[in-house]
Amino acid sequence: AQSVTQLDSHVSVSEGTPVLLRCNYSSSYSPSLFWYVQHPNKGLQLLLKYTSAATLVKGINGFEAEFKKSETSFHLTKPSAHMSDAAEYFCVVRLGYNTDKLIFGTGTRLQVFP
Amino acid sequence: EPEVTQTPSHQVTQMGQEVILRCVPISNHLYFYWYRQILGQKVEFLVSFYNNEISEKSEIFDDQFSVERPDGSNFTLKIRSTKLEDSAMYFCASSLGRGDQPQHFGDGTRLSIL
Repeated sequence: AQSVTQLDSHVSVSEGTPVLLRCNYSSSYSPSLFWYVQHPNKGLQLLLKYTSAATLVKGINGFEAEFKKSETSFHLTKPSAHMSDAAEYFCVVRLGYNTDKLIFGTGTRLQVFP
Repeated sequence: EPEVTQTPSHQVTQMGQEVILRCVPISNHLYFYWYRQILGQKVEFLVSFYNNEISEKSEIFDDQFSVERPDGSNFTLKIRSTKLEDSAMYFCASSLGRGDQPQHFGDGTRLSIL
């Protein structure tokens, strides 16, 4: 089965400390991977994408993610959390080249404390 | 920045009634999608649409569902006879192309079936 697993349903950090949101995937194909963020009562906003180019991908708002094929991981990081980063984060995989169907993880809710 | 817009933001409908959810994709995008998220569950793919026809659909997208692009700007999802289990947040998305092109999402329509 091809899927994506987000290992933490909730992550809490203090403002100014690093953020790590974990994601593992399983895919028979070379995957396309994405991170989306959803702020309360808003839609899904693309943070970054991996599509078989550089393994370290930089996104918006200081986020980045590293594709590690040997670990089948695509963890999202940010060096210093900001209060405005509090939101739900989704790791998403596209299954192969012949489909545009996105498979979503269950989401990680990030809380940022002052 | 161009965005996907969805109307209404919240729709309340009696069970058995028909409902139409509306979306205006980004103007130069060619591929259109609907996803849904039942409260507390994952975001799930429903259907993709290109060149005025469905290109892919999930098992959820049965005969009660239909999609249409009635003019050059709107993309609609119709549910013919709503059931209680259709209550969910429905997201429209669009993309410029297939594959590595990211899907851009609207803010969603919350559908409540009474």
